[in-house]
Amino acid sequence: DVKVTQSSRYLVKRTGEKVFLECVQDMDHENMFWYRQDPGLGLRLIYFSYDVKMKEKGDIPEGYSVSREKKERFSLILESASTNQTSMYLCASGTGVPNEQFFGPGTRLTVL
Amino acid sequence: QKEVEQNSGPLSVPEGAIASLNCTYSDRVSQSFFWYRQYSGKSPELIMSIYSNGDKEDGRFTAQLNKASQYVSLLIRDSQPSDSATYLCAVNINEKSSGDKLTFGTGTRLAVRP
Repeated sequence: DVKVTQSSRYLVKRTGEKVFLECVQDMDHENMFWYRQDPGLGLRLIYFSYDVKMKEKGDIPEGYSVSREKKERFSLILESASTNQTSMYLCASGTGVPNEQFFGPGTRLTVL
Repeated sequence: QKEVEQNSGPLSVPEGAIASLNCTYSDRVSQSFFWYRQYSGKSPELIMSIYSNGDKEDGRFTAQLNKASQYVSLLIRDSQPSDSATYLCAVNINEKSSGDKLTFGTGTRLAVRP
């Protein structure tokens, strides 16, 4: 079974803090993704990566950055957390074509 | 903007009935389609993938794809209370500038009444 793990299930941070969310997959997948999910807006893609040290912007990259130093690990960074970044953050990994993606358990981030 | 549309529901069906969940998409060249199940407070779980026109069955689940009508559906036979969840439709869309990305619908909430 594909196993995707995320560093925290729940996280509370203050406005202006730098926040790191980490994701690790154990299936040797090339592709990794970060989404956020908000009520009524569905899943929105923040950033993705098709290879180590490679990154692509998704639909809502503003206020976020990512790092992929190793194939199995993909980190999402909130440079200066703001209250509108309070959300559920979901990491996924996948094999490419046909782009099946498998999700981690999610991190519910609250920014106060 | 390439879109995936789902009725938000809730779709309420009695236990043992067939639940029918529908999804339309706007990108004519999409080739891969997925259904995810998401329980409240949990992450999405992939339950069905379909790539060709027609039906694909897996246990109590059947995915149906009609590319000409840009329509994909999920049927759940013999619905159980444990099927109560939000079902997300996802469509793979190829963007020349950045490759393949999944676009998700906002989901249909299914409630199965005992």
